[in-house]
Amino acid sequence: TQLLEQSPQFLSIQEGENLTVYCNSSSVFSSLQWYRQEPGEGPVLLVTVVTGGEVKKLKRLTFQFGDARKDSSLHITAAQPGDTGLYLCAGASDSNYQLIWGAGTKLIIKP
Amino acid sequence: KAGVTQTPRYLIKTRGQQVTLSCSPISGHRSVSWYQQTPGQGLQFLFEYFSETQRNKGNFPGRFSGRQFSNSRSEMNVSTLELGDSALYLCASSLVREVENEQFFGPGTRLTVL
Repeated sequence: TQLLEQSPQFLSIQEGENLTVYCNSSSVFSSLQWYRQEPGEGPVLLVTVVTGGEVKKLKRLTFQFGDARKDSSLHITAAQPGDTGLYLCAGASDSNYQLIWGAGTKLIIKP
Repeated sequence: KAGVTQTPRYLIKTRGQQVTLSCSPISGHRSVSWYQQTPGQGLQFLFEYFSETQRNKGNFPGRFSGRQFSNSRSEMNVSTLELGDSALYLCASSLVREVENEQFFGPGTRLTVL
């Protein structure tokens, strides 16, 4: 059974600080997606990484896919209150016809 | 382009009742997936429909069922509700059925079972 473990489960920091959240698995994924979900809304795709070692930047957010395609990280620089939300990672593999989801990291940025 | 819509947004039921939730995908999207979301559990995959056919099913009991219509709208039904069915039910649509394709989510239906 493929699993994706996200850490930390909960993170509360002050505006302006940096943070990293992790998404780890013992399984290999062909691609990995990061979503952000705000209260009362469904998740919204932030980025998809497909190549081992790939780094993608989205303004202050930096996403990295591990060389072995088993893990990924999301780094936020100078966090802002607007970054508050639930961050979810989801992996796709050739052996599964549905995404495998992590449980999420709940992020709160205090002004 | 209108996003994914789900109705109703909130629902309160009692144990033993049944419920039907509705999802209208983005126009042109033929794949619709349903998820159950509970705190700390992430998104649990229920099933996926493509062109009116259920292509994949998650590990949920038979009380959970769904269907898709010719216009790609989808419904899911839960019979004999249990307290543990209280959750946010999310519907997601995508243009094609490849698993790595971006999924567009609706706002969800918040189901409370008393």
